[in-house]
Amino acid sequence: DAKTTQPNSMESNEEEPVHLPCNHSTISGTDYIHWYRQLPSQGPEYVIHGLTSNVNNRMASLAIAEDRKSSTLILHRATLRDAAVYYCILRVINNNDMRFGAGTRLTVKP
Amino acid sequence: EAQVTQNPRYLITVTGKKLTVTCSQNMNHEYMSWYRQDPGLGLRQIYYSMNVEVTDKGDVPEGYKVSRKEKRNFPLILESPSPNQTSLYFCASSYGGGRYNEQFFGPGTRLTVL
Repeated sequence: DAKTTQPNSMESNEEEPVHLPCNHSTISGTDYIHWYRQLPSQGPEYVIHGLTSNVNNRMASLAIAEDRKSSTLILHRATLRDAAVYYCILRVINNNDMRFGAGTRLTVKP
Repeated sequence: EAQVTQNPRYLITVTGKKLTVTCSQNMNHEYMSWYRQDPGLGLRQIYYSMNVEVTDKGDVPEGYKVSRKEKRNFPLILESPSPNQTSLYFCASSYGGGRYNEQFFGPGTRLTVL
C-alpha cells in the first residue's frame, strides 16, 4: 500500500501562513491525496483533496508536486482554531479503506 | 443540518456484557464505516459498508460485528467486550466508497471496558 510521511509536529504563529508537508513517494497514478484534520476532542474533519492539479477551497490550498511524490497543505492565515492533528491520506483505487497515519500536530501560537 | 450522530458518547461497561453503539447519518450516504482510535496507533478501520446489506472487514474487525439493515444506520456491536476494546470509536459516512469522496465523521464514542 502507498504510504505517507509527515512531520510529527509543527508550530506556527497566529495569522501567518502554514505549510504542512507530506511525502508519498510510492503514490500511483490513480491515488487521490486527501487531507483531514482532527481538532481536540472531535472526530476527523475533511479539509481538501486532489489528484494532480493544485486545489483551493475555503479552508485551505493543496499544492501537489509535479511528480506527485509530495504535497503541501497550505493554511493561508493560521488561527488558534486551526490547532489540530493534520492527516495526509492516499485513497487508492478499488480500496474502500482510508488509512490514517500519525499525522502532524500543528500548534498555533498567539 | 447534515451530520453523523453516535450514541452513546461515553460508556463504561464490564467484560462480557454485550453492547451496541449506534451510528446514524441524515445525508443519504451509501458508504459508512467504523474506526477506533488508540494512542500511538492512530485511527484504524474496523468495518465498512458500501450499501444496505453489504458489509466488509477493515483492518481490525476481531471482536466486533456490524449490520446495515437501513441506509441511515450502521450499528457497531460488541458481543463480548474485553478490556482491549477500550478505545475511542468513530463512525463515518460518504456518498460512495470511492477515492474522491469526502468522509463525514461523527463526534466519537469513548468506551471503557473494565
